[in-house]
Amino acid sequence: EDKVVQSPLSLVVHEGDTVTLNCSYEVTNFRSLLWYKQEKKAPTFLFMLTSSGIEKKSGRLSSILDKKELFSILNITATQTGDSAVYLCTSGTYKYIFGTGTRLKVLA
Amino acid sequence: DTAVSQTPKYLVTQMGNDKSIKCEQNLGHDTMYWYKQDSKKFLKIMFSYNNKELIINETVPNRFSPKSPDKAHLNLHINSLELGDSAVYFCASSQDFRGLGYEQYFGPGTRLTVT
Repeated sequence: EDKVVQSPLSLVVHEGDTVTLNCSYEVTNFRSLLWYKQEKKAPTFLFMLTSSGIEKKSGRLSSILDKKELFSILNITATQTGDSAVYLCTSGTYKYIFGTGTRLKVLA
Repeated sequence: DTAVSQTPKYLVTQMGNDKSIKCEQNLGHDTMYWYKQDSKKFLKIMFSYNNKELIINETVPNRFSPKSPDKAHLNLHINSLELGDSAVYFCASSQDFRGLGYEQYFGPGTRLTVT
C-alpha cells in the first residue's frame, strides 16, 4: 500500500532559525511529490518535484527530491512567525496520498 | 474571484440527517476531488472526477455519494449522518490527473459537526 511519512510531527523554533522538514514515500509508479502549506484554512501549493537532485526555490523556502532514497526535504531559512503552519507532503499514482503533516510553530 | 468555492462553510446537524455540500471551480480544470480532514489534520482522498467521470472512489461508506453535473461542479451528499462524519471536507481541483501530476487548488473547506 502506498505510504507517505513526514517527520517531525511538530516543531517549535524561534524567528531566524532554519528548519528542515522531511518526507519519505513508498509509492508504486511514482510520478511526483508535492508540498503544501496549510495555515488556518485550505492547503496552498508550494512545490512540485519530479526529478532527483534539482532544487526548487521560492524565497526562503526550498525543496529537493531524492528518488533513490525515496524522500524529499523542505527547508525554510530565516523563519518568520508567518511560516507557522502545517506543512503537508503528498505523492501518488493517480491519487494523492498525504502525509500526516509537520506542524511548525515559529516564536517571535 | 474565488477559484474553488464551497458551500456551506459550516454545517451543524444531528445524527441521522441527510446533508449536501456544494463545490464549484472557475479555473477551467478537468479534475475535481473531495477530501476529508480529521481533527489531527490528516487529509484523505474520498473521490475524484475527471470531466464528470468518476476516477477515484476510495473506501468510503456508501452513505457518501458524489455528483458532478458538469466539470466545474462536484457536490457531496451524505445520508444518515454519523458522529464519525464530523470533520472538515475539502473540495479541490487540478488541471488534469494524468502525466506527472498537477498541483491542486483547494476550496476553503466545510466544517461538518454531527451532534
